[in-house]
Order: sequence, then C-alpha cells, then structure tokens
Amino acid sequence: SQELEQSPQSLIVQEGKNLTINCTSSKTLYGLYWYKQKYGEGLIFLMMLQKGGEEKSHEKITAKLDEKKQQSSLHITASQPSHAGIYLCGADIARASNYQLIWGAGTKLIIKP
Amino acid sequence: DTEVTQTPKHLVMGMTNKKSLKCEQHMGHRAMYWYKQKAKKPPELMFVYSYEKLSINESVPSRFSPECPNSSLLNLHLHALQPEDSALYLCASSQGDQPSSSYEQYFGPGTRLTVT
Repeated sequence: SQELEQSPQSLIVQEGKNLTINCTSSKTLYGLYWYKQKYGEGLIFLMMLQKGGEEKSHEKITAKLDEKKQQSSLHITASQPSHAGIYLCGADIARASNYQLIWGAGTKLIIKP
Repeated sequence: DTEVTQTPKHLVMGMTNKKSLKCEQHMGHRAMYWYKQKAKKPPELMFVYSYEKLSINESVPSRFSPECPNSSLLNLHLHALQPEDSALYLCASSQGDQPSSSYEQYFGPGTRLTVT
C-alpha cells in the first residue's frame, strides 16, 4: 500500500461548489506540501503545513493538518475553472531526510461550467 | 521571485544522441533536484544536489549524468537513452540549508523529452 494515500483519485465539481481533497499517512508528517499541476507543466507550490492543527489559506484554498499530523485536507470554496488541474500532496516522513518527499498519487479536478 | 527556469521546453532525441537539460534558479537555494514524471504519476526523484555536491542518487542509470556547475545551475546530461526514458523532466530547488528542517520545493516548468 502507498505510504501517502490521496483521495479521491478524480473529482468533477460544478463551478461554484466546494470540494475537499484528502491526504493520509500512517506515519507522522513532518512537513506536508500541497501542489497543483496542469497537464505537462511544472508543479506550482500552494502551501506547506508543519504543525499539528495548523491551517493556512490562500484566496479560496484552505489546507489543514490534523493534530496527530497524519492527515491533511485541501478545501476549495466556490470553485472556479482556474482551479482545474491535478492536486498533489507531498510529505516529509523522516525528519532527517527532508530532501526526499513521498507523494500521493494525485487528484484530478475537473470543474464543470 | 520564486522562479525556476528550464530549457529546452521540448526535446526529441534519438537513442544515439547526446543532449543536455538545463535548470537555473536565482533564489539563493542550496538544494536542487531532478525529477522524472511519467503521465498520470507523481514525480520520481532522480538526483539531489546540496551545496553543489551530489547528495542523493536514486539508483538512476548511468545514461543520466547530473552536473551542478554552480549554486544557480543544474544540468542533466543525456546519452544513449531508451524510448522508456521519454517523460517530463522536472527541476526543483529549495532552501535546503538545514537537513532536519522542512522546506518547500519550487519546480520549473519541465522539459518534455521524447526518445525515438
């Protein structure tokens, strides 16, 4: 099984609706990163979470890390076509190996007009 | 400025060719990375340079040869590649000056490589 489980695998959402993507690990997450990728392009850094219970927001996107530091969620409010893409979570699960992230499989988000 | 640049954007090469991918960042980051990404998969780490020294090589075949000429530049030299090496090659950088700390990585736009 994957060390970092990301769900759902894909999501089709009506424009204007809210949505949530989850990222779960059986190990402590020392750093949890959310990225967005358009097909064939580079990854765009969204947010980094490190502390249990931490929550960060940027525009209509909010990311949270639970108190146990094993699960993170990415929430988009009032989705827009510009939110479409692939969302990836990456994590440090070993404090001394911050260069080596483990990755979720990605969530493909489609916004229906 | 959080920009990482990569050239070329697209590359088509034969199995006997030699080519290089280039990556540049001017954020003062001390760690630079090469990733390979196949369609519908997350990035796979290939190499990490820390303070211009190779610190991680993820058992990558010798037909891929990384080089870090200075703290801003990272190259990936390609020779005798196979069709299965066709992929998106991503460069990234991070602050990376404290090994026990977490830093976000900033990615370039990638080079789409096709090996014929």
